[in-house]
Amino acid sequence: GESVGLHLPTLSVQEGDNSIINCAYSNSASDYFIWYKQESGKGPQFIIDIRSNMDKRQGQRVTVLLNKTVKHLSLQIAATQPGDSAVYFCAETQSGYALNFGKGTSLLVTP
Amino acid sequence: EPEVTQTPSHQVTQMGQEVILRCVPISNHLYFYWYRQILGQKVEFLVSFYNNEISEKSEIFDDQFSVERPDGSNFTLKIRSTKLEDSAMYFCASSKTREETQYFGPGTRLLVL
Repeated sequence: GESVGLHLPTLSVQEGDNSIINCAYSNSASDYFIWYKQESGKGPQFIIDIRSNMDKRQGQRVTVLLNKTVKHLSLQIAATQPGDSAVYFCAETQSGYALNFGKGTSLLVTP
Repeated sequence: EPEVTQTPSHQVTQMGQEVILRCVPISNHLYFYWYRQILGQKVEFLVSFYNNEISEKSEIFDDQFSVERPDGSNFTLKIRSTKLEDSAMYFCASSKTREETQYFGPGTRLLVL
């Protein structure tokens, strides 16, 4: 859901479970989507990307799903580990240049 | 693995002072970017730079801001007269082409007093 100021949506999962983080975007002309992971005090770290001509892309333990009809993006993390705890941002762009970031979701992995 | 690097990691300055934030993009990348992140908020685009020119900038990037590629490796962001509201993390990013992934540096935390 939406977040304001310091309040990020938080997803708490147990180690070993699968995580799903969702993102809604507003620009129907966006053609490139990226998920970034941000740990405290660090810069956004690239996880996986997808272009608008695809609806699913898989990486190592991560899968991104794109639903252009409802302008929705999701990140699935399999077998979530404590090291996955971070804030996850989706970002989108129309033909390059400025990335428009979402507000982020905080993932907390508990042992 | 090549990384974007940024210096300094932290900068404290007085309101009205000029600051220069430095970045070394990944060496074979041609597109360079600055973003900022105010504490607890989302990352916001400031400016993109290609072929020694600004290619796109946001409303945030007003006349107080400028960017420069002074040599073959550095990319700088200058804030001429800092304001309290300029306090944020500033991230540099680079990409090989306009359509490819942008890779981010670790950021400079700027605090304006």
